[in-house]
Amino acid sequence: QQQVRQSSQSLTVWEGETAILNCSYENSAFDYFPWYQQFPGEGPALLIAIRSVSDKKEDGRFTIFFNKREKNLSLHIKDSQPGDSATYFCAASASSNTNKVVFGTGTRLQVLP
Amino acid sequence: GPKVLQIPSHQIIDMGQMVTLNCDPVSNHLYFYWYKQILGQQMEFLVNFYNGKVMEKSKLFKDQFSVERPDGSYFTLKIQPTALEDSAVYFCASSLVLGGAETLYFGSGTRLTVL
Repeated sequence: QQQVRQSSQSLTVWEGETAILNCSYENSAFDYFPWYQQFPGEGPALLIAIRSVSDKKEDGRFTIFFNKREKNLSLHIKDSQPGDSATYFCAASASSNTNKVVFGTGTRLQVLP
Repeated sequence: GPKVLQIPSHQIIDMGQMVTLNCDPVSNHLYFYWYKQILGQQMEFLVNFYNGKVMEKSKLFKDQFSVERPDGSYFTLKIQPTALEDSAVYFCASSLVLGGAETLYFGSGTRLTVL
């Protein structure tokens, strides 16, 4: 059973466009949602995160939009750059079970120059 | 930023052999984790470890798996004996506190190939 789903395996955008990566989840107990960025040959690195009490989190070119009622969220990357090309993992955890982070299957983003 | 080091980056072994994956966590971190990633797929939680003990493990953490961190040295994942389905990239992570994903720092992974 997939607790965190990312609808797209891959996404290609042109440089300067806004990339939108979607994620949904099943467990209502999840209240913390980080996005991880992973480059080939490296481990995932935390990019940006949101708590379920918020509906939006912005950090530079990266914004998370969160819809608690619909149990979905999206990562928007404004003014995409070729250097943003990576795999992005949506993840989730619950305050009641902070030992474990559940990852989605990842979306491979390619930004073309 | 804080670094988690994993040694080796790639390991190839024959099925049935024992393998030990090593992780040098961030120096002041107290909680340690192993995740498994099969090529192109999601990261799957295996186990976390604190104060010399396993705190939680998933169903992927088979009886053939064990973890330890003797005397504050490497945090290790041992698989004995290995099976073909153990081929994957294993990521170590560490955190200072037990507090969700924001405090997790990942290593660059060890690619294990079981022949």
